[in-house]
Amino acid sequence: KQEVTQIPAALSVPEGENLVLNCSFTDSAIYNLQWFRQDPGKGLTSLLLIQSSQREQTSGRLNASLDKSSGRSTLYIAASQPGDSATYLCAVGGSARQLTFGSGTQLTVLP
Amino acid sequence: EAQVTQNPRYLITVTGKKLTVTCSQNMNHEYMSWYRQDPGLGLRQIYYSMNVEVTDKGDVPEGYKVSRKEKRNFPLILESPSPNQTSLYFCASTSGGQPQHFGDGTRLSIL
Repeated sequence: KQEVTQIPAALSVPEGENLVLNCSFTDSAIYNLQWFRQDPGKGLTSLLLIQSSQREQTSGRLNASLDKSSGRSTLYIAASQPGDSATYLCAVGGSARQLTFGSGTQLTVLP
Repeated sequence: EAQVTQNPRYLITVTGKKLTVTCSQNMNHEYMSWYRQDPGLGLRQIYYSMNVEVTDKGDVPEGYKVSRKEKRNFPLILESPSPNQTSLYFCASTSGGQPQHFGDGTRLSIL
């Protein structure tokens, strides 16, 4: 059964720093990997989707990488801003489109 | 605007009183699913549907039913709700290799 781990569980950084969030998974036979953002009491906003054949995806200040062989993905956030404060969730997609989620990294960007 | 709509957004009810949470998407997606989110347990899949009249169990299906009579709708039914089903519920949809889109969530409290 797929298991997804996110480290760290919480992270606090000053505004302007570049940061990396980590995600690891146990089964490399994945369909895709998706990073989400969740604000308190809100739904999930899709940030980036990496297909299993891809190595990375970029959107604005965000860059996500995927290394299937080692079972790892990273989300890089450049020049962090207070508005980036949220919980970031990594989700691994299986062949039946089911998503297995990590427990998330709670990010706080201090002004 | 592409969206997944859930109703109600909030509901407080009592044990044993049947309830239905509706989910509708306007993107013509084949795949729809339901998740619940609980503190310390993260997001877990309840049921999913690959297409009309095709549904299957996720990781935590006990106590829930679903139906997929139309492509756009995927209601979640709690025939006899119990307090352990108090949770935050999300509906999601996707098609092909696209990112999964999530609704804003339904917060259920069962007394």
